[in-house]
Amino acid sequence: NAGVMQNPRHLVRRRGQEARLRCSPMKGHSHVYWYRQLPEEGLKFMVYLQKENIIDESGMPKERFSAEFPKEGPSILRIQQVVRGDSAAYFCASSRPPSVRGGRSSTDTQYFGPGTRLTVL
Amino acid sequence: SQQGEEDPQALSIQEGENATMNCSYKTSINNLQWYRQNSGRGLVHLILIRSNEREKHSGRLRVTLDTSKKSSSLLITASRAADTASYFCALNTGGFKTIFGAGTRLFVKA
Repeated sequence: NAGVMQNPRHLVRRRGQEARLRCSPMKGHSHVYWYRQLPEEGLKFMVYLQKENIIDESGMPKERFSAEFPKEGPSILRIQQVVRGDSAAYFCASSRPPSVRGGRSSTDTQYFGPGTRLTVL
Repeated sequence: SQQGEEDPQALSIQEGENATMNCSYKTSINNLQWYRQNSGRGLVHLILIRSNEREKHSGRLRVTLDTSKKSSSLLITASRAADTASYFCALNTGGFKTIFGAGTRLFVKA
């Protein structure tokens, strides 16, 4: 049972180029989360998607960043015109649909991929 | 801030000792989770504790939750060198977003 897969593991781009990061969720998971981690820091939420739908993108920069999770294929995090400040580790996590208890929904356990380390030269 | 704050930021102990890490937060939560991250790797889920639970165990791990104090602790008993990692608490305050703290860096000396 393969876990969450991310590729590439390492990505080097020059300023102004585009970066595409891919995430394949665990089998049976239809929900994907993207996080960014700077060195020595915790993870910062970026976006939450389910198949063909962006649920919450409140953590995503308004410009240059976009995410999708098509009906077929992996989730893609796309960064256009990369700058040095985009250098970070980007982690994807997947989960089953959130559970609902007492009328409130909450996230289920998230399973993380190994991350993509983006370096912008 | 909704973010959990771990304490201490770094902890160094001898193999065999117990390690205790704390997480404090300011909002009400649905659940709180603890994750481990080895250097340069992805996060591994350890334990999820719901807001109506007070304590959970998993092997050498014990997690407590005190919602009145808005705090949680992670205890690792009889630590091993392989426990060396960063440990993060993550809050779910309802909805879909999970907020991670900055982590506690644990170093276990053999």
